[in-house]
Amino acid sequence: DAMVIQNPRYQVTQFGKPVTLSCSQTLNHNVMYWYQQKSSQAPKLLFHYYDKDFNNEADTPDNFQSRRPNTSFCFLDIRSPGLGDAAMYLCATSGRLAGGETQYFGPGTRLLVL
Amino acid sequence: AQKVTQAQTEISVVEKEDVTLDCVYETRDTTYYLFWYKQPPSGELVFLIRRNSFDEQNEISGRYSWNFQKSTSSFNFTITASQVVDSAVYFCALSPRTGTASKLTFGTGTRLQVTL
Repeated sequence: DAMVIQNPRYQVTQFGKPVTLSCSQTLNHNVMYWYQQKSSQAPKLLFHYYDKDFNNEADTPDNFQSRRPNTSFCFLDIRSPGLGDAAMYLCATSGRLAGGETQYFGPGTRLLVL
Repeated sequence: AQKVTQAQTEISVVEKEDVTLDCVYETRDTTYYLFWYKQPPSGELVFLIRRNSFDEQNEISGRYSWNFQKSTSSFNFTITASQVVDSAVYFCALSPRTGTASKLTFGTGTRLQVTL
């Protein structure tokens, strides 16, 4: 089945220690998104890629970076995680970069910062 | 600016009861899309439905049905004969039709608890 895969499902890191979360997709979608979701809140868009074009949301901290080496994979790098970065990180994809396109989400990676 | 309001923070029902989750939205766009997603305890956001603002037909899919009323800017979701597996957080979301990105504006979610 075509899907969005995120690894690992749970990640524990130390305060200030860089961490990378990964996302892959078999949907062959052009657009990949990263969201941050804190407890009892709605997902918040961090950035998205359209092919290799990167689009950062205005309020995304510099601490968050992303890489997309090919169509299938996208990585979220947190350079110096703080306690406030503990959250669920969701990856999503859509077929086109257009208003109203359905986004399909992966299972998420829950990040714990000690 | 776009806004989605899900006034019900949490709903508890007994299995087999019908339950309606409310969603009210605000947008200045004349064309837009509305979505519902389900987030079970495992965390994945599961796509349920997408509705075009031009299509006001109600939709039914098994035990799920959606009532879109443009006149009241509402897109409500009803689960008939609820089951324990329906327990999850449900998000309503809005996206403009125009633009070069599928920017989703989410509501704050409604947590549905179905008990035996």
